[in-house]
Order: sequence, then C-alpha cells, then structure tokens
Amino acid sequence: DAGVTQSPTHLIKTRGQQVTLRCSPKSGHDTVSWYQQALGQGPQFIFQYYEEEERQRGNFPDRFSGHQFPNYSSELNVNALLLGDSALYLCASSLLTGADGQPQHFGDGTRLSIL
Amino acid sequence: GNSVTQMEGPVTLSEEAFLTINCTYTATGYPSLFWYVQYPGEGLQLLLKATKADDKGSNKGFEATYRKETTSFHLEKGSVQVSDSAVYFCAVHTNAGKSTFGDGTTLTVKP
Repeated sequence: DAGVTQSPTHLIKTRGQQVTLRCSPKSGHDTVSWYQQALGQGPQFIFQYYEEEERQRGNFPDRFSGHQFPNYSSELNVNALLLGDSALYLCASSLLTGADGQPQHFGDGTRLSIL
Repeated sequence: GNSVTQMEGPVTLSEEAFLTINCTYTATGYPSLFWYVQYPGEGLQLLLKATKADDKGSNKGFEATYRKETTSFHLEKGSVQVSDSAVYFCAVHTNAGKSTFGDGTTLTVKP
C-alpha cells in the first residue's frame, strides 16, 4: 500500500519563475493538505483540498494556489517566486470524516531552492 | 489562532537516559493532540496521539498525556536509544484537519 508520494524530490528555480509540485495521497484518503517547512521550523499550513475544492487556507499570499483532481491527487503552484519561498514543501493526506482525531500522513517533501 | 510552544533544543542525551520534551498549546474548542517525528531527509511520521482530555497516547516506548487544565502534552520516554535521534514536533489538530505545529525539538542520543 503506497503512502503519500511527492514529486519532484528537489527543484531549483530563480526569482520570478513559477513552480508546480505534485502529490499523490495515501490510498483511501480523500483530503490533501500542503505545508511549507522552512529550515529549523515546524510546518506551516498553506491550504487543504477536499472534493476538488480549497477547503481551508493558511496565511499565505495568492501567489500560492492549488488544485485537486478527481483521483484525489493534488498540485501546489507558486507564482513569482521569491528567495523566501525556499523551503521543504510537504504534502499530507487524511480522511475528512472524523478528521480532528485523524493523523495526517506525510510525504517526504519537495526541497525547493530559489536562486 | 492556534499556537504550539515546544521546549527549545537541541537536546543531547546518553543512551538509556530519561527523555522529556515539553509542549504547551493554545487552541479553541476540543483539539486533538499529536506528536510527529522527522528523521533526516524524510517527511513527518505520526508517533502518538490523544483525542480528548486525560487520554494517554503511547508508541515505541514514548508516552504523552493530554492535560487540558495545563494545556500541555509533554512527550516522555523512560530509556532512549541512539535510533531515537530525530526532530520531534508537537501538533494541534482542529477544524477538521488543519494542523498547527511547534518549531520542533532536535534530539541527539549518544552511545
């Protein structure tokens, strides 16, 4: 049973460019959340998708957008990249039902470096 | 909004020593509390959880008790091993899946 998979593993971009990160949730999960983890810090919630719609959003600008597909996989898009966007981007999946008590299952992340 | 405050690290212990990592939180309603562990180069893995007051979560010798009166969820282990070296994150889950994490505590266990 595959867990959460993310691609690519590493990515290098320059300021002003755009990037798309991808995530496939754990089998049976219907909800995907994205987090940004800066070096030495905890993950910061970006947004959550359920039934192909953004359900919740953290304190991130509109440059951060996403999408969820009918097969529950998801993409994170970041436009007009800034140096400060350099971080590990984590995808997590879960079941919405009873979600408060459900742990999230995390992928290994995409390391994004902005030059 | 919700917040989590973790004991600052890094923490360095000898093998078989007793471990405590403090965690306190601020949240509205009735959150669920989690400890996650992150090994180098990997994503976060669930270590243990507790979903209501006075519940004790446990796994792999680690324990934490949900203390609503002190809004705490301290992580403990009686005898740490070198393989326990990792970064530990305390987290609060509310609003159907939105999670707030602490900044993590790095644990190094020396033989």
